[in-house]
Amino acid sequence: EDKVVQSPLSLVVHEGDTVTLNCSYEVTNFRSLLWYKQEKKAPTFLFMLTSSGIEKKSGRLSSILDKKELFSILNITATQTGDSAVYLCAVAPGTASKLTFGTGTRLQVTL
Amino acid sequence: DVKVTQSSRYLVKRTGEKVFLECVQDMDHENMFWYRQDPGLGLRLIYFSYDVKMKEKGDIPEGYSVSREKKERFSLILESASTNQTSMYLCASSSSDRGHIQYFGAGTRLSVL
Repeated sequence: EDKVVQSPLSLVVHEGDTVTLNCSYEVTNFRSLLWYKQEKKAPTFLFMLTSSGIEKKSGRLSSILDKKELFSILNITATQTGDSAVYLCAVAPGTASKLTFGTGTRLQVTL
Repeated sequence: DVKVTQSSRYLVKRTGEKVFLECVQDMDHENMFWYRQDPGLGLRLIYFSYDVKMKEKGDIPEGYSVSREKKERFSLILESASTNQTSMYLCASSSSDRGHIQYFGAGTRLSVL
């Protein structure tokens, strides 16, 4: 059975801090790993990673995948209150179209 | 931009009622999904569909059914709602051509009393 574990479950940081969110996985025939941000409603897509060691970057957010150790990290630098959200990690196995999600990390950024 | 629209943001139903949740996507995606999201349990897949009139059970299909008569529309049906089906329901769609990135609707928060 495919499994995704995210840590920490939640954290509170001050604006300007840098945070690292973790995602480890076990999946049959790995194809890709995806990160989503969920505020009040729909999860919105952030990154898709398929290859080890290649950093994906978008503004203050970046992510990298290690397929040997079966994990990914999501970094957020110079956090802002607008970064407060639940961050979801998901893996896509083999040729199937469905994703397996972790339970998410709840990030709260305070002033 | 991909748009996935769920017909209701909030629904309140009585135990035993038949409930329909509707989802429409405008990007001609072949794959559509229904999830429920509960605190501490994350997103759990109820059903998905990879083509019109096709459906596959997800991880928690019990108590639910689905219908996909048109490519853009995927309906989730609770035949006889129960209180343990109170949850946030999220619909998503994806295309095999785009790496199976799923795009989500805003969600329907269903309360069964």
